[in-house]
Amino acid sequence: DAGITQSPRHKVTETGTPVTLRCHQTENHRYMYWYRQDPGHGLRLIHYSYGVKDTDKGEVSDGYSVSRSKTEDFLLTLESATSSQTSVYFCAIRGQPTYEQYFGPGTRLTVT
Amino acid sequence: GENVEQHPSTLSVQEGDSAVIKCTYSDSASNYFPWYKQELGKRPQLIIDIRSNVGEKKDQRIAVTLNKTAKHFSLHITETQPEDSAVYFCAATSSNFGNEKLTFGTGTRLTIIP
Repeated sequence: DAGITQSPRHKVTETGTPVTLRCHQTENHRYMYWYRQDPGHGLRLIHYSYGVKDTDKGEVSDGYSVSRSKTEDFLLTLESATSSQTSVYFCAIRGQPTYEQYFGPGTRLTVT
Repeated sequence: GENVEQHPSTLSVQEGDSAVIKCTYSDSASNYFPWYKQELGKRPQLIIDIRSNVGEKKDQRIAVTLNKTAKHFSLHITETQPEDSAVYFCAATSSNFGNEKLTFGTGTRLTIIP
């Protein structure tokens, strides 16, 4: 499973609270991604990183921020969680020079 | 940006028959097209991919075909088995100065009828 872990695996939080999800990889891959998965929408890119401290927005970045202070960790933060952010969040990694992306086990987030 | 459409959204086939899932994309610069399989409650798993310099690729019972002129690609599963039941996603690259991003289709739920 490409040495990717996500934590927590499940979280229930209240509207308005901050939430941070962590993606950890053990294989020194340069590229890391955060997706959300919702019924009828497939997988949509939130943010991605192409190196330490190098990040960029995806198609659904509003309400989310990311940080990557070291190669192995990519953090996704919901500054003030809303019910529309209830979703399953997947982290993925890609190594160079290939395009292949491999996914972590996912985090199920419920915002009440 | 890239837009990927996937059809059908649901597909039921008799065990042993073939299944075909089709995707179209909008960005003519896209050059990498993977397919993922996702079982219930699990992560998406890469099952096959194709690059733009190839028209067809096979791996045992699965194959992918690419028509760059028409901007569509398809997944073919032959001799389907119950373990093929899952949701399948296609995707295409959206190149951005070397920082390629995948755009996914909305998925096809494949059910194999025993």
